[in-house]
Amino acid sequence: DVKVTQSSRYLVKRTGEKVFLECVQDMDHENMFWYRQDPGLGLRLIYFSYDVKMKEKGDIPEGYSVSREKKERFSLILESASTNQTSMYLCASSLSLADGNEQFFGPGTRLTVL
Amino acid sequence: SQKIEQNSEALNIQEGKTATLTCNYTNYSPAYLQWYRQDPGRGPVFLLLIRENEKEKRKERLKVTFDTTLKQSLFHITASQPADSATYLCALSDYKLSFGAGTTVTVRA
Repeated sequence: DVKVTQSSRYLVKRTGEKVFLECVQDMDHENMFWYRQDPGLGLRLIYFSYDVKMKEKGDIPEGYSVSREKKERFSLILESASTNQTSMYLCASSLSLADGNEQFFGPGTRLTVL
Repeated sequence: SQKIEQNSEALNIQEGKTATLTCNYTNYSPAYLQWYRQDPGRGPVFLLLIRENEKEKRKERLKVTFDTTLKQSLFHITASQPADSATYLCALSDYKLSFGAGTTVTVRA
């Protein structure tokens, strides 16, 4: 079974702090994704990566950056956290972008920015 | 802009009945459509994928239809059980996924 793990289930940070969210997958998947999920808005794609050191902006990249130094690890960085970044953050991975791109999700990190 | 709409936020249904969920989309021509299940506090779990040239797909008690003319997918849970209670998300894909907001299903015993 594919396993996607995220470094924290719950996180509380202060406005202006730099925040790192880590994601690790164990199935040698090429692609990794970061989403945020807010009530009534569904999952929105922040960034994704289709190879080591490669990244592409999603629908809402502003205020975020990402890093993928190793194939199994994809980090989301909030350079200066703001209260409107309080959300559930979900990481996912997939084997291929073609043929439907079935994704495997981690358990999520609920981030609160005070 | 692209828009994905799932039917009313919550669906309450008696055990044993069929739950039918709707996913409508505009300004989009996806090659694939997927359905995921999400339990509270957990990440989504993949259920089914249907391709644009397929009309219907089944998996156990689940059935998905995909009408590219109507720009609509229907998701059916037959003989529903309390364990089917969850939020169900539709997602349209070309090389990345775009998700609807989800429909929460509660199955009463």
